[in-house]
Amino acid sequence: DAGVTQSPTHLIKTRGQQVTLRCSPISGHKSVSWYQQVLGQGPQFIFQYYEKEERGRGNFPDRFSARQFPNYSSELNVNALLLGDSALYLCASSLYPGQNSPLHFGNGTRLTVT
Amino acid sequence: AQKITQTQPGMFVQEKEAVTLDCTYDTSDPSYGLFWYKQPSSGEMIFLIYQGSYDQQNATEGRYSLNFQKARKSANLVISASQLGDSAMYFCAMREMSAGGTSYGKLTFGQGTILTVHP
Repeated sequence: DAGVTQSPTHLIKTRGQQVTLRCSPISGHKSVSWYQQVLGQGPQFIFQYYEKEERGRGNFPDRFSARQFPNYSSELNVNALLLGDSALYLCASSLYPGQNSPLHFGNGTRLTVT
Repeated sequence: AQKITQTQPGMFVQEKEAVTLDCTYDTSDPSYGLFWYKQPSSGEMIFLIYQGSYDQQNATEGRYSLNFQKARKSANLVISASQLGDSAMYFCAMREMSAGGTSYGKLTFGQGTILTVHP
């Protein structure tokens, strides 16, 4: 079975531009989360979607938005990019957002903002 | 205050030896889950093991076991018989289930421990 797939794998953007990152969850998983991982740190929670509704939001500015589609895939959008947005963006899926449902992560999208 | 603390920035272990990676957590939520993930240099986060706050026994998954001491709020990962392929960054994470609201389902990660296995 395919794992969580993310595209693109790498991306270089200029300050002020907009970017869209894509994620396909494991088949049957209805919950998708997005995390930002800056070099040398642990991942930071951005969003969680379950059954196509936003269920959780981390401490990120409104420049960050996301959505989940009827097939449970998801997109993360970042507007007005800043140098500090350079990071590895990880998408994770789980069966449900419950306590004992582990997140299964994709390989991530490495975003570089110049 | 840090919710997840991993005090060992780096650890070294000899191949075939056991190693313990430390993790302490801070929560007032009675219902929570603790997770360990492995992140090789390729970047993928690989789920290793889970421990629920109400679980009576320590979790085990193959060569991985979790030393859960609830009163001390620690959830150390023990890797037995280390292999060269175990060299990676290891993250401890927590999910608090009663928090609800905007934190629903979120995992909070520690800073990670880099494990290097020597031949």
